[in-house]
Amino acid sequence: DAKTTQPPSMDCAEGRAANLPCNHSTISGNEYVYWYRQIHSQGPQYIIHGLKNNETNEMASLIITEDRKSSTLILPHATLRDTAVYYCIVRQGGYSTLTFGKGTMLLVSP
Amino acid sequence: GAVVSQHPSRVICKSGTSVKIECRSLDFQATTMFWYRQFPKQSLMLMATSNEGSKATYEQGVEKDKFLINHASLTLSTLTVTSAHPEDSSFYICSAQEGTVGETQYFGPGTRLLVL
Repeated sequence: DAKTTQPPSMDCAEGRAANLPCNHSTISGNEYVYWYRQIHSQGPQYIIHGLKNNETNEMASLIITEDRKSSTLILPHATLRDTAVYYCIVRQGGYSTLTFGKGTMLLVSP
Repeated sequence: GAVVSQHPSRVICKSGTSVKIECRSLDFQATTMFWYRQFPKQSLMLMATSNEGSKATYEQGVEKDKFLINHASLTLSTLTVTSAHPEDSSFYICSAQEGTVGETQYFGPGTRLLVL
């Protein structure tokens, strides 16, 4: 699976949009971009995934660049409960395994 | 939808005993389940993959005789840590997906194991 690069930490003010970047420059054509988050001492929570097109659900939006070498997860109105480690994972379409990197620790402050 | 539960949430045991952790998919049939381990301040590490009715596939470095995995039904997988030692203390997390390939994985809440 392609490797991803994320900043180790980010800060965001409550109510503002949180934009979390992910670099995956070696992604191949059949690899999906997945985002999960892990709140302290809990199991990871699925957020969103995409292949080529931008995606939006009730939790977040995923913006994938046209060359697919990077993506951004957008939490439109961050709350204190969004404080977590966010993992960007590239996963090959025909396989099941997820490889977790170190992720980005997002701290949402009042 | 897509809820995965684990039991117990926490367990403390003496060195040398065995501990069983259950992972259940509550609202879908999980053809494939996964077991991860997470040490403090580290990321999740995949231990093994199991398909219902088949033997589990273990990642390199994971002892299959120590970490017994059973996936006997489409909604239940169990991980048994045999002859547990203090170094096995960790956060164990399962995940489940509906198909064999390509489906989204949903994670359980995790089980904190402390071996004294």
